Amino acid sequence: GENVEQHPSTLSVQEGDSAVIKCTYSDSASNYFPWYKQELGKRPQLIIDIRSNVGEKKDQRIAVTLNKTAKHFSLHITETQPEDSAVYFCAASFGDNYGQNFVFGPGTRLSVLP
Amino acid sequence: EPEVTQTPSHQVTQMGQEVILRCVPISNHLYFYWYRQILGQKVEFLVSFYNNEISEKSEIFDDQFSVERPDGSNFTLKIRSTKLEDSAMYFCAAGAEQYFGPGTRLTVT
Repeated sequence: GENVEQHPSTLSVQEGDSAVIKCTYSDSASNYFPWYKQELGKRPQLIIDIRSNVGEKKDQRIAVTLNKTAKHFSLHITETQPEDSAVYFCAASFGDNYGQNFVFGPGTRLSVLP
Repeated sequence: EPEVTQTPSHQVTQMGQEVILRCVPISNHLYFYWYRQILGQKVEFLVSFYNNEISEKSEIFDDQFSVERPDGSNFTLKIRSTKLEDSAMYFCAAGAEQYFGPGTRLTVT
């Protein structure tokens, strides 16, 4: 089955700097890759996603890149702010239809220091 | 963003008891998911539900678990004969992009 690894497990950056979180997946059939932000004690929230027919997607300060050949995808946050501090989870899923098994990475705890 | 609500927010039960966790998506969705998250660990997929049927389930989702959509709106997760290790946050998600509910914290004592 699919296995998703995520690095680093913890990341501290100064406010205004960029943060990069990387994930690798094992199943080449995976074709949808969402990223979730989970603040302490709250639900995971979808912040950005990318499908396998796209190499990069950007939404304001957040971007995601996908390298299908290498089977890895990354989350990039620019101009980090203290409110970006949270645990970030990547996930991978496959299938033509939704309702497929989403496999989550172990998470990255991001701390943005003022 | 469509809203998903879950009840109860916190459930305490004794080992061996049965619990039912409820999820109510505000918008009309076809896809539903249940996840669990043990404290401090990653989100784990349990089951997906489409068109009133289980679409896929993980190895965690054994005979102890069942899902239903009894009245066309509520989506429930039943856990029979709870064990201590079932203590976790249980999240429902709805829609293709999986909008998560606020979760139910289950504590088995």
